[in-house]
Order: sequence, then structure tokens, then C-alpha cells
Amino acid sequence: AQSVTQLGSHVSVSEGALVLLRCNYSSSVPPYLFWYVQYPNQGLQLLLKYTSAATLVKGINGFEAEFKKSETSFHLTKPSAHMSDAAEYFCAVSDKRSQGNLIFGKGTKLSVKP
Amino acid sequence: GAVVSQHPSWVICKSGTSVKIECRSLDFQATTMFWYRQFPKQSLMLMATSNEGSKATYEQGVEKDKFLINHASLTLSTLTVTSAHPEDSSFYICSATDWDANGLHFGNGTRLTVT
Repeated sequence: AQSVTQLGSHVSVSEGALVLLRCNYSSSVPPYLFWYVQYPNQGLQLLLKYTSAATLVKGINGFEAEFKKSETSFHLTKPSAHMSDAAEYFCAVSDKRSQGNLIFGKGTKLSVKP
Repeated sequence: GAVVSQHPSWVICKSGTSVKIECRSLDFQATTMFWYRQFPKQSLMLMATSNEGSKATYEQGVEKDKFLINHASLTLSTLTVTSAHPEDSSFYICSATDWDANGLHFGNGTRLTVT
């Protein structure tokens, strides 16, 4: 069985500050890990994904995430927040066999203060 | 990049009526499509997995007779909410994959309000 835990349902940062959104996973098989962003009343947009290649994954909009097996984590970071980054962020896990069947975390709402 | 179009983006219907939501892959053939439901301020919950030409596989607790899914072609899947009730009001999102492409591609969702 697989699961995802996102620590913090709401994170608030100032514009220009570091963004850190936490995600821990549980998986009995090598995981595939994803970060998605959702803007109000819209679907999900893929930010980045880890599929057993490089552990540091760079995504769109300046985001990156590092897969740490020892910590079962896949935290999302961005060095400098922009107002347009305000959105809901979802971490998700699947595996090679069922990579279409994503298990989502509960989401973290990111607010960016001017 | 791959595009998934979901229609309508929002719909209001009366209790007891049925509503059909379409999910189309515009520039690739989607062997598999997924339907999710998202309650306010909550995560996405997978409702069913739809493979072209075969019956959908529903997640536990999802009523297959209430949420009818059809995947008749490689570019179109439909979700019909039958005999809708106010508790069916939610945000419904589809995603599609051809398994060769780079992951899943999501539609923009459909906001269903049942009055």
C-alpha cells in the first residue's frame, strides 16, 4: 500500500522568501513521486516528478524537489517565492506498475505575502 | 504538450436529473482515463479507472450505477452522474495517459452544483 503525508495544510511566505512544502511517503515498492499545482477551479498541472533517476528533480517555475529514501521524503522547494506561486500544491505517489493510479496527499495551500 | 479538455467547466442541475461530463484527449490517444472527485479544500479521490473499450474499474465505495463511465474511443471518456443529489455537488476532474507519454495529463475540472 502507498500513502502520502503533506505536513502543513497551509504555508505562508513573503515574496522573495524560500518556499518549502513537505511531503513524506510510504511505499512497499520503489515509488514514483509527483508534485502538482492547482489554481482555483482548475485541474492539476505537473510541476515535477521522480521516477528513479536523479534524486534531485528540477521542475517548472523554478521549483525542485529532492528524493531522500532514508527519510522517505520528497519535499518541494523554490528559492524565491513569487506572488503567482500562490496556489494549492499536491504531492502524489505511485509506482512503475500502476503509475497512472496516483495516491494524493491532502494538499498544502501556499500563500505569498507582498 | 499533451492537452486534456474537460467539458463543461461548470454545471448547475436540479435534483433527480442526470449530468454528463466529457473528457477528451486532444493530441494523443488516451488508453486509460481516470476520474477523480474533489471536495472543497480536500485532495483528489480516485473514483474510477477507465480503459478504452472495457468496463471501468470503480474504487471501493463509489456507486457504479450512479456514476456511469464510458470510454468508447481512445480520445473520449464520459462520466454521467445519474439522479443527482445535492451531496453529489463537487469538483470532478479527469486525467488521461497513453502510458508512453510523460505521465498523466489532467483536465481543468468540472464544478457540479446540484440544487
